Amino acid sequence: AQSVTQLGSHVSVSEGALVLLRCNYSSSVPPYLFWYVQYPNQGLQLLLKYTSAATLVKGINGFEAEFKKSETSFHLTKPSAHMSDAAEYFCAVIANNDYKLSFGAGTTVTVRA
Amino acid sequence: GAGVSQSPSNKVTEKGKDVELRCDPISGHTALYWYRQSLGQGLEFLIYFQGNSAPDKSGLPSDRFSAERTGGSVSTLTIQRTQQEDSAVYLCASSSGLAGGPGELFFGEGSRLTVL
Repeated sequence: AQSVTQLGSHVSVSEGALVLLRCNYSSSVPPYLFWYVQYPNQGLQLLLKYTSAATLVKGINGFEAEFKKSETSFHLTKPSAHMSDAAEYFCAVIANNDYKLSFGAGTTVTVRA
Repeated sequence: GAGVSQSPSNKVTEKGKDVELRCDPISGHTALYWYRQSLGQGLEFLIYFQGNSAPDKSGLPSDRFSAERTGGSVSTLTIQRTQQEDSAVYLCASSSGLAGGPGELFFGEGSRLTVL
């Protein structure tokens, strides 16, 4: 079964600093990978997805993620954090021939003024 | 509506009571999912519907949980004889399974269930 591991349940960054959220997946073949964001009291919203077209994926709100097969990683970054980036972020994976999206435990991001 | 709609947004019930949670997916989406989000934990898959196929119920935690999807659209998740450990946010998502490839799920805002 596909799974993802998010390193760090909480990340605190200063406004304007780099945001780096780590995600590693377990799969023998490259799966589809996703990052979702959940703002307080809201549902999940897709940030970006990897579907094998390009290893560097750009998403909404200035986020991007790079698929690295050699490291089985799909880390999420944003060069400059904004207060509005405070939220919970979930990495998720699905196999090519599957439909069930498996989520990591989530990383809560707080942004300090 | 344009998005996935869930109701109620909040439900407080007493232990032992039955509850029903409703999900109205995006029009035209053939796939519908229920996930559970408990405090401090990730999202736990519960059940998946795809068109007229038999649902994948492998994630339902006990036989107190059931779900149905009528007419390929609206879905109801029912929890019988609720227990305190059922307290969580229940998220519904739908997907076309076509645009953007598999796994692009669109989520509702969830139904927060509190069992006293």
